[in-house]
Amino acid sequence: EAGVTQFPSHSVIEKGQTVTLRCDPISGHDNLYWYRRVMGKEIKFLLHFVKESKQDESGMPNNRFLAERTGGTYSTLKVQPAELEDSGVYFCASSQEPWTSGKRNYEQYFGPGTRLTVT
Amino acid sequence: LAKTTQPISMDSYEGQEVNITCSHNNIATNDYITWYQQFPSQGPRFIIQGYKTKVTNEVASLFIPADRKSSTLSLPRVSLSDTAVYYCLVGDDDYKLSFGAGTTVTVRA
Repeated sequence: EAGVTQFPSHSVIEKGQTVTLRCDPISGHDNLYWYRRVMGKEIKFLLHFVKESKQDESGMPNNRFLAERTGGTYSTLKVQPAELEDSGVYFCASSQEPWTSGKRNYEQYFGPGTRLTVT
Repeated sequence: LAKTTQPISMDSYEGQEVNITCSHNNIATNDYITWYQQFPSQGPRFIIQGYKTKVTNEVASLFIPADRKSSTLSLPRVSLSDTAVYYCLVGDDDYKLSFGAGTTVTVRA
C-alpha cells in the first residue's frame, strides 16, 4: 500500500511569488491534515479536511494560505504571496476514522514533507 | 491541551533498553497518550498509544501509572536505526496533534 506522498520535496521561491504544494493521502483515508515546522520551532497543525470539507482550519496563519481538496482525494496548499517567514517544512498526513472497532485511534500517517525556502 | 515535558536528549548503545519518560501533570480524564517517532527528512511516524496501565506492540511498550501524570515509552534492545526524535503527545483531539520539542535519542555502536 502506498503511503502519503507530497510534491515537490523541495521548493525554493522568491518573496512575493506563489507556490502550490500537493499531498496525495493514502487511498481510502477521508481525513487529511496539513502541518508545518518553521525554522527552529515545533510542528504545528494547520488544518483538517474530512473528504472535501474543511473541518478545522484554526491553525492557518493568515489569508495568504489556501488549502483545497477537490473531490476528496488529493489536497493542495497554496501560499500567495510567499513571505520569508513561510520557510519551513510542510507535512501532510492522513488517517482513517478516529473510532475503529470501538477503540480510539490516534494514528496519522505522515508524508515526507515539502521543504519550502523563501528567499 | 495538557502540557508535556520530556528530556531534550538521551544517549544509548546498541542492544540496550531505552526508557523515555514524559510528564503530563495536567492530563484530563479523556486524554490519551500517544508517541510518535521522527527520522531526519521524514514525517513523524506513530509508535503507540495508551490510556492507562501498559500497552505493548511490536515496536515498543508504553507504561502509564495509575495517576496518569506521566508515561514511559520503552524501546527494547535499540539499534542504530532507532536514532530519532521521539514525541509524547497528550490530548483527546485525535484530529489535531500537538507536537512538543521531543526527545532526541542517539544510539551509538
